[in-house]
Amino acid sequence: DAGVIQSPRHEVTEMGQEVTLRCKLISGHNSLFWYRQTMMRGLELLIYFNNNVPIDDSGMPEDRFSAKMPNASFSTLKIQPSEPRDSAVYFCASSSPTRGPSYGAGARSSYNEQFFGPGTRLTVL
Amino acid sequence: DAKTTQPPSMDCAEGRAANLPCNHSTISGNEYVYWYRQIHSQGPQYIIHGLKNNETNEMASLIITEDRKSSTLILPHATLRDTAVYYCIVINNNNDMRFGAGTRLTVKP
Repeated sequence: DAGVIQSPRHEVTEMGQEVTLRCKLISGHNSLFWYRQTMMRGLELLIYFNNNVPIDDSGMPEDRFSAKMPNASFSTLKIQPSEPRDSAVYFCASSSPTRGPSYGAGARSSYNEQFFGPGTRLTVL
Repeated sequence: DAKTTQPPSMDCAEGRAANLPCNHSTISGNEYVYWYRQIHSQGPQYIIHGLKNNETNEMASLIITEDRKSSTLILPHATLRDTAVYYCIVINNNNDMRFGAGTRLTVKP
């Protein structure tokens, strides 16, 4: 498996333009997470989905941000209109179906292990 | 609110054990302790997690105190490739993972 795939890896755009970030989940995973990372605020959870349904979007900064899962393996994060303060690295992560608390001791693939993509570095001028 | 407290930075000599502490004094009974690390310019990577027993895998060991208010991640033989930011996270079953500032570990030759 190629792991979580994000595109583009780098995006430079001008203020006011629409930006769409894309994420392909690992096959068989059913939870999807979008994070944003900046020097000032660190790594922040924006939104996450279980089985294509948004569960918690309280981290989404404002209405300019929207996220969708058009199918079980793909998600988009859209910013419209973009602003310079949106400049950050955006990560998506996926995780596998719930196994419950009785995981194997020290097992690497476990209940809440999230697999992160390489990130999209967004620069809004 | 990340619910954990970690030192901002630590150094370790190559080949020695790296012991990274984490305080989580408000942890509740159904919350797990997870450790991730982020190597420069990459996405975070899962290391290990535990509930109340000590855990060990091929990457690290996790020691959780009996009262569960603190834990220590141990990299038994640190290498230069272990230089990264290490995040200690407390999470229950809702997948809502909140990263704090982490500890920047620098392994020196």
